Amino acid sequence: QVQLQESGPGLVKPSQTLSLTCTVSGGSISSGGYYWSWIRQHPGKGLEWIGYIYYSGSTYYNPSLKSRVTISVDTSKNQFSLKLSSVTAADTAVYYCAREGVTGTTHWFDPWGQGTLVTVSS
Amino acid sequence: DIQMTQSPSSLSASVGDRVTITCQASQDISNYLNWYQQKPGKAPKLLIYDASNLETGVPSRFSGSGSGTDFTFTISSLQPEDIATYYCQQYDNLYTFGQGTKLEIK
Repeated sequence: QVQLQESGPGLVKPSQTLSLTCTVSGGSISSGGYYWSWIRQHPGKGLEWIGYIYYSGSTYYNPSLKSRVTISVDTSKNQFSLKLSSVTAADTAVYYCAREGVTGTTHWFDPWGQGTLVTVSS
Repeated sequence: DIQMTQSPSSLSASVGDRVTITCQASQDISNYLNWYQQKPGKAPKLLIYDASNLETGVPSRFSGSGSGTDFTFTISSLQPEDIATYYCQQYDNLYTFGQGTKLEIK
């Protein structure tokens, strides 16, 4: 059973870069067939998709965040990572990593990591 | 961007009640819609994909319907463990989520 676990600093200063890593267990990122996404949830609010990466390294980002987002993959460690630059208080959120399944035209996010709260504050 | 509008934003119902949540897309998304359940402090869990297909292992009291711009999520008989926030999510053009419906027991 595939499990995902986010890790990284819980506090980031304004204007700095937020960096998180998602470690995948119970399955290999390199096996293909899935995309690996980052999704965030502002406190008490809804969900916002940030972007995804395929094991080959190809990426796609939410246009609203594209200028500040970089997602990378390390298949040797079975991890993928998120970097979000020039953060402000508006980037304070719970960040989730999730596996995106694709079959034909069907896409779904499952499973998800437990989420990690990142607060942007000086 | 495709906007997803859920209603109601919150709902209080009794155990055994039939509960219905609606989700409206700002443009035609065919049946490219999922429903998720998020319990407090937990990650979302996939319940329904392709608007009406039940994910494996999900109780049959959950169901979904609709296509185009209007979708419905139903719990046929509310159970105490169903207390959660429910989100719709479209995948016709990138991915956007509804704002959520918080379900409480009356």
